[in-house]
Amino acid sequence: EAQVTQNPRYLITVTGKKLTVTCSQNMNHEYMSWYRQDPGLGLRQIYYSMNVEVTDKGDVPEGYKVSRKEKRNFPLILESPSPNQTSLYFCASSLSRDTDTQYFGPGTRLTVL
Amino acid sequence: DQQVKQNSPSLSVQEGRISILNCDYTNSMFDYFLWYKKYPAEGPTFLISISSIKDKNEDGRFTVFLNKSAKHLSLHIVPSQPGDSAVYFCAAGSRAGNNRKLIWGLGTSLAVNP
Repeated sequence: EAQVTQNPRYLITVTGKKLTVTCSQNMNHEYMSWYRQDPGLGLRQIYYSMNVEVTDKGDVPEGYKVSRKEKRNFPLILESPSPNQTSLYFCASSLSRDTDTQYFGPGTRLTVL
Repeated sequence: DQQVKQNSPSLSVQEGRISILNCDYTNSMFDYFLWYKKYPAEGPTFLISISSIKDKNEDGRFTVFLNKSAKHLSLHIVPSQPGDSAVYFCAAGSRAGNNRKLIWGLGTSLAVNP
């Protein structure tokens, strides 16, 4: 089944404790992206990747890192999480930059205490 | 300042009737638009899209209309079914540049009553 998976689905952590949210897609998609969803603000892009080893900042990249060592994986790294990073995170992918439709993972609910 | 607006946070419709969800945008650089459906505890699921060169796109019970001069699009669901109850998001993008970032509205929660 074609899908985007994220792990973990739910995470409660404390300020400053490094964490990684994994994202994997099995559709051989070139383009991948991370969004966060917050009440009243909607979904906002954090980082995106055009292809392996090619990443760039979105609208709200502060406090986040990403890597794209393999085509299928695009992990989101929070080196020192803070409470303002409490949010719902979605990973998305699309076939290429020339494809309009993006496919989303199920989301990761992160709480930073 | 929100570039994509869904002014109705919620909508209630009877089963079998038409549901009309509206979306307005401000950025004339957008050249494609998508509608996503979202159930609780799931990610957004692609529903239908439209390119700015068209004014209508139809897929089964779902039709999207685009009025570029008014910077307005709408999603029509006919007939509405209880399984259509979900939050619907309008999203817009531009093909210029490398980033295929989507700009999202805040969503409209649709309830289809049996």
